[in-house]
Amino acid sequence: KQEVTQIPAALSVPEGENLVLNCSFTDSAIYNLQWFRQDPGKGLTSLLLIQSSQREQTSGRLNASLDKSSGRSTLYIAASQPGDSATYLCAVIYNNNDMRFGAGTRLTVKP
Amino acid sequence: DGGITQSPKYLFRKEGQNVTLSCEQNLNHDAMYWYRQDPGQGLRLIYYSQIVNDFQKGDIAEGYSVSREKKESFPLTVTSAQKNPTAFYLCASSGATSRGTQYFGPGTRLTVL
Repeated sequence: KQEVTQIPAALSVPEGENLVLNCSFTDSAIYNLQWFRQDPGKGLTSLLLIQSSQREQTSGRLNASLDKSSGRSTLYIAASQPGDSATYLCAVIYNNNDMRFGAGTRLTVKP
Repeated sequence: DGGITQSPKYLFRKEGQNVTLSCEQNLNHDAMYWYRQDPGQGLRLIYYSQIVNDFQKGDIAEGYSVSREKKESFPLTVTSAQKNPTAFYLCASSGATSRGTQYFGPGTRLTVL
């Protein structure tokens, strides 16, 4: 069974801290892995897409890594800001366009 | 202005009624998807369609129905057979150049009264 787990479920940090969100998956035969942001009551906004042949992707203060062999990905957020407060979802994409989601990490950055 | 639209944003339904959620995309994507999201859970796939006039059940299709008469449109009907329909519903689409990723609409919040 293809399962995706995100730890922690919720995280609260003071503004300015660097933080790491974790994602693990049971089936390592992935095509791509993607991190999304979701604000309350809104749709999903794509943050970073890592292809299976890549080890990491960076966009601004965000860096996502991928270790297929261990079934893990991390999303690193540098110098966190209150505007980063949202739920972050990890999604694993398999070759048949099957997309499996974690339950998300709800992040609160306090001013 | 390309993208995916969903309507309505909020929908209220009485028990025993069928309701239809709209999803439209102008991205020229072949594939479209419907997901359900409950608090504290990841997205779960209801139905998907890889091409016009064809669709497949996802993990939680019971109590739902879909149609795909046009490439741009993939409406979802929540029937009275769905035991617990209150949830947030998200529509997505993907195309040949999407590298496997999906593009999401803004969602519809359905509440059963």
